[in-house]
Amino acid sequence: QKEVEQNSGPLSVPEGAIASLNCTYSDRVSQSFFWYRQYSGKSPELIMSIYSNGDKEDGRFTAQLNKASQYVSLLIRDSQPSDSATYLCAALTGGGNKLTFGTGTQLKVEL
Amino acid sequence: NAGVTQTPKFQVLKTGQSMTLQCAQDMNHNSMYWYRQDPGMGLRLIYYSASEGTTDKGEVPNGYNVSRLNKREFSLRLESAAPSQTSVYFCASHFSTETQYFGPGTRLLVL
Repeated sequence: QKEVEQNSGPLSVPEGAIASLNCTYSDRVSQSFFWYRQYSGKSPELIMSIYSNGDKEDGRFTAQLNKASQYVSLLIRDSQPSDSATYLCAALTGGGNKLTFGTGTQLKVEL
Repeated sequence: NAGVTQTPKFQVLKTGQSMTLQCAQDMNHNSMYWYRQDPGMGLRLIYYSASEGTTDKGEVPNGYNVSRLNKREFSLRLESAAPSQTSVYFCASHFSTETQYFGPGTRLLVL
């Protein structure tokens, strides 16, 4: 079992819709979770971090964490074509020394 | 403040050649990382250095060596390049439980 798992997609949503991206993790000790966005040919860039159970909102983005279910999600409201990218979920593991990534979910926002 | 820098940006090697990928950060981060990214595989950790003077293997260390030269610099060496090492290599750094910051990447092609 991979430590961090995501559906590879692609996930296609129409412009203006809500995109929902999901991630599960296996290390119960993990306390910090991150969502990165990666455009083709570019390096990953952080868009959200979450450390506590519940929701965290930042503009059009909401991260959700459920430690009991070992589940992290990212909601993107009012999706725009510029949101089309691969979204990487990551968990801080190994006692806080290693960031373990999922394989990423490709999101396509269609006009 | 340049963040994380990597050199070179692109390199072509012949099988059996050696090379060193350079990485430097100016954020005074303790931890530094080398990842490789291949299509459909996500980001896989090669080696990391939790602090100056220490290095540890990640998920895919075979065929690579690293040196944490000082707090700023962390290099990755391929002693005898193989076509299977064709990939995009990312260096990253972070402090404590904060997120990781990525360099722009090095695209390596081994013929």
